[in-house]
Amino acid sequence: AAGVIQSPRHLIKEKRETATLKCYPIPRHDTVYWYQQGPGQDPQFLISFYEKMQSDKGSIPDRFSAQQFSDYHSELNMSSLELGDSALYFCASSKQGGVEAFFGQGTRLTVV
Amino acid sequence: GIQVEQSPPDLILQEGANSTLRCNFSDSVNNLQWFHQNPWGQLINLFYIPSGTKQNGRLSATTVATERYSLLYISSSQTTDSGVYFCAVGANSKLTFGKGITLSVRP
Repeated sequence: AAGVIQSPRHLIKEKRETATLKCYPIPRHDTVYWYQQGPGQDPQFLISFYEKMQSDKGSIPDRFSAQQFSDYHSELNMSSLELGDSALYFCASSKQGGVEAFFGQGTRLTVV
Repeated sequence: GIQVEQSPPDLILQEGANSTLRCNFSDSVNNLQWFHQNPWGQLINLFYIPSGTKQNGRLSATTVATERYSLLYISSSQTTDSGVYFCAVGANSKLTFGKGITLSVRP
């Protein structure tokens, strides 16, 4: 069965640079969620989209923005990167009317 | 917001042993999921179980929604079961994770 696809799997950036993470949800899933997991921490909800509109927002820094496109894929844009942004970033998707979240394999971002 | 507590925080088992992992949550939810995070960081869905009991091979889970807790049972543990087990709860797919339980299974 198709799963949530995230790219890239690994990313190394320097401080103050910009990064873009991509997420391709499971086919026919219309809701996308982004989570950030710092080293030794539990995943924290950042933001979600339903039918291309932002549906909820968590503790996402102002330096980050995200959107969902017409094909339902989503991108997380991160600017002015800081060392503390180094983390695993997960994308999850769910289907309309569904509850269960399906997670991608994550993108490991390292800021040096 | 909703609070999620997992216990014990750490667990060391000998291969072949059984274990029970607990998750308590502070409010009514319509979603509860258990995940296994392997050493490579991948979050693997184990169960979607807002209520009731499910089994998948050596793993089973029970959620008593009225009492706001869930249990994950691992039987005949194997070294490949090592990793961090997360319970996550919430409204729909917006999840609040517990701090996780680090399981080490020794050969």
